[in-house]
Amino acid sequence: AQSVAQPEDQVNVAEGNPLTVKCTYSVSGNPYLFWYVQYPNRGLQFLLKYITGDNLVKGSYGFEAEFNKSQTSFHLKKPSALVSDSALYFCAVSLPGGYQKVTFGTGTKLQVIP
Amino acid sequence: DGGITQSPKYLFRKEGQNVTLSCEQNLNHDAMYWYRQDPGQGLRLIYYSQIVNDFQKGDIAEGYSVSREKKESFPLTVTSAQKNPTAFYLCASSIDPGPTDTQYFGPGTRLTVL
Repeated sequence: AQSVAQPEDQVNVAEGNPLTVKCTYSVSGNPYLFWYVQYPNRGLQFLLKYITGDNLVKGSYGFEAEFNKSQTSFHLKKPSALVSDSALYFCAVSLPGGYQKVTFGTGTKLQVIP
Repeated sequence: DGGITQSPKYLFRKEGQNVTLSCEQNLNHDAMYWYRQDPGQGLRLIYYSQIVNDFQKGDIAEGYSVSREKKESFPLTVTSAQKNPTAFYLCASSIDPGPTDTQYFGPGTRLTVL
């Protein structure tokens, strides 16, 4: 079985400050990890993914995430938050081998305060 | 929202009524997916299709049905057997159904039972 946990329902950060949205995973094997963002009443948009190689993954809109195997984490980060970053963020995991469904976390609402 | 369209944007269903949600993609993707999103529960997989004329049940398929007669179309029918259908429904597609493939999402359909 595979699962992801997003321990914070909401994260508040001041504009211009660094932001972190946390994600931990539980799998048997080597995971593939994803971050998606959802703006109100819209579909999800892909931000970045970790497949293999460099543990630091850079994605869209200045976001990055670090794969930490020992801590089973894949936290999303950005050096300087924008008000327009306010949205719902989802972490997701899948496993190698044929078709493997993607399991999504419950989401973290990011609120950037002007 | 890329090349995936969902219609209608809002849908109202009476008790005992079947309704069909449309999903069309022009990305030439082989794989398509239907998810249900409820507040605080993330995304749950209803059905997925890896190729035309083939589809598989996801985690919460009861009360739903799908077809995949054309590569670009993957309609979802919410039947009267689905006892709590009020939710936000998201369609997605990916180039292949593999575990590393990015999923591209449509804008969603919000279904409300009257």
